[in-house]
Amino acid sequence: QVQLQESGPGLVKPSETLSLTCTVSGYSISSDFYWGWIRQPPGKGLEWIGSRYHSGTTYYHPSLKSRATMSIDAAKNQFSLRLTSVTAADTAVYFCARYSTSFVFDYWGQGILVTVSS
Amino acid sequence: SYELTQPPSVSVSPGQTASITCSGDKLGDKYASWYQQRPGQSPVVVLYQDITRPSGIPERFSGSNSGNTATLTISGTQAMDEADYYCQAWDSSTYVVFGGGTKLTVL
Repeated sequence: QVQLQESGPGLVKPSETLSLTCTVSGYSISSDFYWGWIRQPPGKGLEWIGSRYHSGTTYYHPSLKSRATMSIDAAKNQFSLRLTSVTAADTAVYFCARYSTSFVFDYWGQGILVTVSS
Repeated sequence: SYELTQPPSVSVSPGQTASITCSGDKLGDKYASWYQQRPGQSPVVVLYQDITRPSGIPERFSGSNSGNTATLTISGTQAMDEADYYCQAWDSSTYVVFGGGTKLTVL
């Protein structure tokens, strides 16, 4: 069974960098598939942030491309997100998920709430 | 940029059929997926590639996608189906796109 678990600080100061890690179990991220981040501001809808393949091909939401960086640590079976220059608008629950060849996010983490506040 | 539009809310009586639409330019030429999200939980895919149900999803969930509109249909709606539903597609310019979500209320 594929499982994903987000980790990272729950509080980030404005203008600083948000860093999150997703640990995957039950599947090797080096085998196949894209691995992605999606966020959900409180009371709002889902917003895709980016997706990365183990080979390095990465796609980002056009509005976040200048601030977002995804990376993969195959040895640890983890992938990560860095979002720079955060503001209160970046406060959200952040989910990591697997993006399958059927163009669907088939496995999701439980999500982690990140609050941007001084 | 590519956008998907959903109605903010849909209401249905128990046992009746609920239809949730998702509109986007030439959406029928793309694959649509649908997610169910209950309060405080992660989204769960209920349909992908327009009409395919993952293992464990009840048969009362079905879908269609043609022209500019994809539709999620829930037949014999149950109280447990009350949730937020999101459509999602892939577009060559915007890549992954989610609809704004529809709150399904089972009255």
